Amino acid sequence: DIQMTQSPSSLSASVGDRVIITCRASQSVSSYLSWYQQKPGKAPKLLFFAASTPQSGVPSRFSGSGSGRDFALTITSLQPEDFATYYCQESFTIHRTFGQGTKLDIK
Amino acid sequence: VQLVESGGGLVQPGGSLRLSCAASGFTFSNYWMRWVRQAPGKGLEWVANIKEDGSEKDYVESVKGRYTISRDNAKDSLYLQMDSLRAEDTAMYFCVRDTDGRSYYPSFDYWGRGTQVTVSS
Repeated sequence: DIQMTQSPSSLSASVGDRVIITCRASQSVSSYLSWYQQKPGKAPKLLFFAASTPQSGVPSRFSGSGSGRDFALTITSLQPEDFATYYCQESFTIHRTFGQGTKLDIK
Repeated sequence: VQLVESGGGLVQPGGSLRLSCAASGFTFSNYWMRWVRQAPGKGLEWVANIKEDGSEKDYVESVKGRYTISRDNAKDSLYLQMDSLRAEDTAMYFCVRDTDGRSYYPSFDYWGRGTQVTVSS
């Protein structure tokens, strides 16, 4: 199985900051990479698929990048509603393995 | 699009539960469907998936032989039969729509709110 490793596991930032969350696959997944946002007590929400294609309604301060093994989720000018846990996920295999998550909280 | 799970609850180790997911707002029979779980304070884990017509199914290794995924396209419903439950199966279980076959780059585009399964004596 492909392993997905996110960095960092947790991150403290302030409103207005720019943050980058990275995701590394144990083998190439081409652009078969999605990002999800999950707030406490809620279901995850799809942010990006195909590594960099935003789901409808995703604010433009979010962007996804990368291909192969290395990917990034960038949030420019953090807003209060962005504090959440973010997961990457490969869709190269049928198992759709998730990263362990990155918890973004307020500094 | 709506996915509404039901059937969770408290069950003793070794017991069984059957989860259901009622789908609406889309052509259910056109989509792969999955169950994803999240243990308390932990990350997301794919549990099982089923092809549009039910002809293909797959499971995470830890539930093989104990869980059975099924669907009824006439009722727009997804199911997960869980037998021989263990404490480590305790989690929130989400019903998820997979865009496989509908998108070149699949993803989980819609999620239900989840149903809690607690395995404890």
